Amino acid sequence: DTAVSQTPKYLVTQMGNDKSIKCEQNLGHDTMYWYKQDSKKFLKIMFSYNNKELIINETVPNRFSPKSPDKAHLNLHINSLELGDSAVYFCASSQQDRGSEAFFGQGTRLTVV
Amino acid sequence: SQQGEEDPQALSIQEGENATMNCSYKTSINNLQWYRQNSGRGLVHLILIRSNEREKHSGRLRVTLDTSKKSSSLLITASRAADTASYFCATAGRGGGNKLTFGTGTQLKVEL
Repeated sequence: DTAVSQTPKYLVTQMGNDKSIKCEQNLGHDTMYWYKQDSKKFLKIMFSYNNKELIINETVPNRFSPKSPDKAHLNLHINSLELGDSAVYFCASSQQDRGSEAFFGQGTRLTVV
Repeated sequence: SQQGEEDPQALSIQEGENATMNCSYKTSINNLQWYRQNSGRGLVHLILIRSNEREKHSGRLRVTLDTSKKSSSLLITASRAADTASYFCATAGRGGGNKLTFGTGTQLKVEL
């Protein structure tokens, strides 16, 4: 009964490959996010979707493309992976009208070799 | 630029002692939240304090907010070994999107 689940948990891939990370929430929230946590544990928002519409797009390379097929899912596709993309990627969700308490997934540790 | 700075970066205490972590931020906020992250896990929401509140309690947690100084503190009383984790403050701005801007985090170690 995981509230926010993302797959895979670990992803090791070579430079130049294209990969996707999937995220699903069963909380009925209307807003979903992708955050990136670097090796120093610094967390930074990448994207936010509200009811399947993109509302936040921080300065993320356009190799990163989020896709929200419905408000319970927000997937992250990354093209032409680079070494610097290695990080832990977290999906999160919240309900916009209740303030912004967020529920996080367990994270996907991406290692680009 | 990064919104929040936390101090200390690392804190080591004995079980039973209190742990205090501080967070400073730069712009006006709607609310401020604290999260815990155990090693290799996702973040877990602990407590939310709104910009018009000054203090909030939840179990062994006490959070204060001083909007004039743009700072907050998290106090964990009677700490336990299970409290060992990284703690992050996060601010929600007044703009749309429910964007959370995280601080640098405090790594807390509670020793037996």
